[in-house]
Amino acid sequence: DGGITQSPKYLFRKEGQNVTLSCEQNLNHDAMYWYRQDPGQGLRLIYYSQIVNDFQKGDIAEGYSVSREKKESFPLTVTSAQKNPTAFYLCASSMGLAGTSYEQYFGPGTRLTVT
Amino acid sequence: GESVGLHLPTLSVQEGDNSIINCAYSNSASDYFIWYKQESGKGPQFIIDIRSNMDKRQGQRVTVLLNKTVKHLSLQIAATQPGDSAVYFCAENTHASGGSYIPTFGRGTSLIVHP
Repeated sequence: DGGITQSPKYLFRKEGQNVTLSCEQNLNHDAMYWYRQDPGQGLRLIYYSQIVNDFQKGDIAEGYSVSREKKESFPLTVTSAQKNPTAFYLCASSMGLAGTSYEQYFGPGTRLTVT
Repeated sequence: GESVGLHLPTLSVQEGDNSIINCAYSNSASDYFIWYKQESGKGPQFIIDIRSNMDKRQGQRVTVLLNKTVKHLSLQIAATQPGDSAVYFCAENTHASGGSYIPTFGRGTSLIVHP
């Protein structure tokens, strides 16, 4: 099955610890994205990557870091500098420039709780 | 404030009725628009898209209308079913410097379908 996966589904951490959220896709998509969603809110863009070894900050990048060493993988690290890290994190991918369709395919999300 | 917003945060309808969800956008450079459906605890799913050179596009039971003059987008769902109950997001898309589309999501409208 082709798709985009995120793990784990639920994650609990103590304040002050860094945590890395996994995102993998086997859709051969060039572009990948990370979003944060708070209760009753829309999606806010954290980082995006249009191609391997390149990524750009989104609207709320402070306190987060990413890497894109492989086309299939785009992990997100929530650092201790992120002041309010508890949220639902969504990863997405799209064909990017190589495609004719620009819809984003979303993973199931990771719910992070920091106490 | 957000550049993409929705007029009605919650919409309640009876099963079998038609539903209309509205969305306003503010960036006149946006040339691609997508509607997503998000069920509780899951990632958003693509419903339908429309490019700025069109003013109407139809899918299965769904129709998207685009009015560029007033920067307004709507999603019409015919014969609404209980399974349509979800949060619906519109996303306006602009090109990043590398060419990929970068979406901006609205806050979402919660559609509740009563049997």
